[in-house]
Amino acid sequence: DIVMTQSPLSLPVTPGEPASISCRSSQSLLHRSGYIYLDWYLQKPGQSPQLLIYLRSNRASGVPDRFSGSGSGTDFTLEISRVEAEDVGIYYCMQALRVPYTFGQGTKLEIK
Amino acid sequence: QVTLRESGPALVKPTQTLTLTCTFSGFSLNTRDMRVTWIRRPPGKPLEWLARIDWNDNKYYSTSLRTRLTISKDTSINQVVLTMTNMDPADTATYYCVRIHPVGYFDYWGQGSLVTVSS
Repeated sequence: DIVMTQSPLSLPVTPGEPASISCRSSQSLLHRSGYIYLDWYLQKPGQSPQLLIYLRSNRASGVPDRFSGSGSGTDFTLEISRVEAEDVGIYYCMQALRVPYTFGQGTKLEIK
Repeated sequence: QVTLRESGPALVKPTQTLTLTCTFSGFSLNTRDMRVTWIRRPPGKPLEWLARIDWNDNKYYSTSLRTRLTISKDTSINQVVLTMTNMDPADTATYYCVRIHPVGYFDYWGQGSLVTVSS
């Protein structure tokens, strides 16, 4: 199985400040098609997870442009340019290259 | 409009078999490249992928749980069923039914079904 490792696991952020979450995969997530199969999900308190970013850097419909994804074949970053109160929750990276799909441990973002 | 809804028991006893049903609308599992998957989140733990079923009836399972899981579909009534045998308190979790977009990402999630395993 592909192992996904996130850091940090806890992320206190002041509103208006930027935030960054790292995710590393044990194998390259580069598909022969040229796409990188790395997605980001956010689970807000009391809600189901929601898709933020797919294929490494594509924002899902309705996701604010303060969210961005980047990275290479095994090292990825989710950045929030200016954190807002509504961004609190647990952020997960997930590899969708092959089954079994695997998630990172999650990063809990909280507001200072 | 795509929707998915999980249903099943809220409480099961250890060693029993859990059966969860996902009833969906807004898409068809007869459509090429359409897939449905199950994911769970135990309290205080991260998301864990469980199983996937494809439009062509291909099925895939978690490495650690494959011996206990069975996924099936009934496209005539737009349902996907997940069974998990020999339930244990460690299986206490919220179970989510999720649609997989043909590109491969998880775009629509059900509201989740909390299952507690306790005697």
